[in-house]
Amino acid sequence: AQKITQTQPGMFVQEKEAVTLDCTYDTSDQSYGLFWYKQPSSGEMIFLIYQGSYDEQNATEGRYSLNFQKARKSANLVISASQLGDSAMYFCAMRDSGYSTLTFGKGTMLLVSP
Amino acid sequence: DSGVTQTPKHLITATGQRVTLRCSPRSGDLSVYWYQQSLDQGLQFLIQYYNGEERAKGNILERFSAQQFPDLHSELNLSSLELGDSALYFCASSGPGAVLTDTQYFGPGTRLTVL
Repeated sequence: AQKITQTQPGMFVQEKEAVTLDCTYDTSDQSYGLFWYKQPSSGEMIFLIYQGSYDEQNATEGRYSLNFQKARKSANLVISASQLGDSAMYFCAMRDSGYSTLTFGKGTMLLVSP
Repeated sequence: DSGVTQTPKHLITATGQRVTLRCSPRSGDLSVYWYQQSLDQGLQFLIQYYNGEERAKGNILERFSAQQFPDLHSELNLSSLELGDSALYFCASSGPGAVLTDTQYFGPGTRLTVL
């Protein structure tokens, strides 16, 4: 069965600093996709970034990048130059080839201070 | 704006009642997913429809049902409501869902409060 673990319930960072949010996953499949979503206090779920298991390069989208370490089964989200608007819950999710749906971790609450 | 719409945004009702949540997917998306987010259970997948047909089922209670119509909008019906059904219900849409890169885009959610 798929499993996503986010061990950091909360993280604090100062504006303009970089922060890494941890995500480890468990799957027996060789082919899978990893996703990160942001949920601000308003409640909507916003897609941030995707990494495929066969992608040779780490994914990047603007200030977001994914530190993908396949052997360690980790897919950490790195946010560079944090902004106040980055304060939100962040969820890591996975889909493997046997499923069309997503399995989510419990999330990490990020607070960015001025 | 993800392009996925959900109505209503908020719903307050009483135990034992029945409600219907509505979702319109992004233009061109054939798959619709329903998720429930609660404080104790986190984000749980309920059910997926693809082009009108049920494709996958998750932790959906028998009191809950869903369907996807020919115009691809979907409805989630919750009946005999209990206090524990209070949650944020998300609809998401994607392409066929058979490709790993198919990203699910979420609607704004419907916050259901059962009193």
